[in-house]
Amino acid sequence: SQQGEEDPQALSIQEGENATMNCSYKTSINNLQWYRQNSGRGLVHLILIRSNEREKHSGRLRVTLDTSKKSSSLLITASRAADTASYFCATDAGDKIIFGKGTRLHILP
Amino acid sequence: DVKVTQSSRYLVKRTGEKVFLECVQDMDHENMFWYRQDPGLGLRLIYFSYDVKMKEKGDIPEGYSVSREKKERFSLILESASTNQTSMYLCASTPLGEETQYFGPGTRLLVL
Repeated sequence: SQQGEEDPQALSIQEGENATMNCSYKTSINNLQWYRQNSGRGLVHLILIRSNEREKHSGRLRVTLDTSKKSSSLLITASRAADTASYFCATDAGDKIIFGKGTRLHILP
Repeated sequence: DVKVTQSSRYLVKRTGEKVFLECVQDMDHENMFWYRQDPGLGLRLIYFSYDVKMKEKGDIPEGYSVSREKKERFSLILESASTNQTSMYLCASTPLGEETQYFGPGTRLLVL
């Protein structure tokens, strides 16, 4: 069953701009994670935010969580070419972690 | 650094063949997972294991089996490969009580 849904499916921005992607989910969660996947590779964990947290930062990443709206956003500031990748949210409702379908981010030079 | 390795990056097999995908992690993680990733469908959980000799079905176990004889190794077996099992297969592991998953580089399997 699909839990997290990322939006948009694809995003192209100029290098240096900020990129924002969103994740909506359906049921209550314990935490939400964001992962990055470079083309043809495995996923890499970026950040985890717990249900009692509203915002979290890690370097150029900022994650927010709104449990009342069942949504999260990932903001990448000052984007770089190396940020070109797919980004997935993963929700943990206690029994297992469910991944969304991802947002494909393309940074234009 | 946690390292999760998968036996092959690319694999080509014929319909009906028995296929073994191997995954090894070097950080003594208790939990290990097998996913398949298809365009438009995201990651789907096939099987997972919380300990040696233990296995649990995920969302799409049909056509697959697994083996975990040692803590560091989790094998995915396609008993009789079919073309609809052409996919990217990803292995992951986590320590007990933690949520972050550490992924291997993936195996892209093509079944002809």
